[in-house]
Amino acid sequence: EAGVVQSPRYKIIEKKQPVAFWCNPISGHNTLYWYLQNLGQGPELLIRYENEEAVDDSQLPKDRFSAERLKGVDSTLKIQPAELGDSAVYLCASSLAGQGFKQYFGPGTRLTVT
Amino acid sequence: GQQVMQIPQYQHVQEGEDFTTYCNSSTTLSNIQWYKQRPGGHPVFLIQLVKSGEVKKQKRLTFQFGEAKKNSSLHITATQTTDVGTYFCADGGSQGNLIFGKGTKLSVKP
Repeated sequence: EAGVVQSPRYKIIEKKQPVAFWCNPISGHNTLYWYLQNLGQGPELLIRYENEEAVDDSQLPKDRFSAERLKGVDSTLKIQPAELGDSAVYLCASSLAGQGFKQYFGPGTRLTVT
Repeated sequence: GQQVMQIPQYQHVQEGEDFTTYCNSSTTLSNIQWYKQRPGGHPVFLIQLVKSGEVKKQKRLTFQFGEAKKNSSLHITATQTTDVGTYFCADGGSQGNLIFGKGTKLSVKP
């Protein structure tokens, strides 16, 4: 079984530039999560999707962050414009309903904003 | 907001020694999950505890959930170099939104 796929793995951009991250969850997983992980910290939830609906985006900084999951499968997280403080690892995870919310994480995208 | 506190932040052990990390919450947890993140890797699910006083074992790993469901621990017996990584506990919540602790970073000296 293929795991959660994320791309790119690494991204370096200058501040004020836009950036987008892509995630393909495990096949059949209807729930998709985007997390942000700063160095030395645990992951922090940004947004959770149930199929194509964003059911919890309370922690998403909506002034510069946006996300979509149009067909309820792949998802894209965008930052525009990026700030120095956005440098972090962006993790995507998915879960299958009924498995006690066990989450499978992708390898993450390491963003560096210069 | 709701937090889970983990201690210690770092632990350095000699290979073969035991290791324990503790997770505490000020509120009752519906369930708690444990994840391991290897250096440069991503979190990998280890286990979920749901019942008060629950104890689960996975080979050399023993997980406990407190009677009041406000604390949990992970104990590793006779550590090996393959145990290196950061161990996170996470409040599983009722909707699947995980609230992670800051993790305990384990290093093992061969």
